[in-house]
Amino acid sequence: QVQLVESGGGVVQPGGSLRLSCAASGFTFSSYGMHWVRQAPGKGLEWVAFIRYDGSNKYYADSVKGRFTISRDNSKNTLYLQMNSLRAEDTAVYYCAKVLWFRELSADFDYWGQGTLVTVSS
Amino acid sequence: SSELTQDPAVSVALGQTVRITCQGDSLRSYYASWYQQKPGQAPVLVIYGKNNRPSGIPDRFSGSSSGNTASLTITGAQAEDEADYYCNSRDSSGNHYVVFGGGTKLTVL
Repeated sequence: QVQLVESGGGVVQPGGSLRLSCAASGFTFSSYGMHWVRQAPGKGLEWVAFIRYDGSNKYYADSVKGRFTISRDNSKNTLYLQMNSLRAEDTAVYYCAKVLWFRELSADFDYWGQGTLVTVSS
Repeated sequence: SSELTQDPAVSVALGQTVRITCQGDSLRSYYASWYQQKPGQAPVLVIYGKNNRPSGIPDRFSGSSSGNTASLTITGAQAEDEADYYCNSRDSSGNHYVVFGGGTKLTVL
């Protein structure tokens, strides 16, 4: 069965960095685009970034552009999110999510991880 | 970028039918997907495309779309359907973004 397991969350000071990982299993990871989505405490879902199945294209929300970098290692079935220059407003649960469609850029997310909490605080 | 607008809260009597709506310009170009999220849990896809349900989603969930509005209908709402519901779609601005609605809290009375 499909599994997505995030890790790497924690408490970091403003201006600091953190790298999140999402370990995928149960499907051909290298054939599907992947997204990061976050949810601030008590708030709604916010799309963060997308990477194509082969890593050739990456897109970012305006709120994180220039600070966050999405990447993937298809040999390790792992998705990453490098977060730099963190701000208090980046505090959220971060989810990785798999695109439903083979090799497509899509907003249909058929599997989500359980999320990892990032807290930006001094 | 585009925005998707949802009513913050909706209620329905047990066993009755409820419709949750999502409005936005991007819905003129793309279908909405709908996600159910219960407290402390990750979202779950319930409707995608024109009106498709992933395996395991009860057939009381259905989707529709007209113009700039997408709707999620629950026919015969159950207590376990009480949750937050989010719509999303591709952004139609050509920037390859994804946009989410603000979410609707569904209460089953």
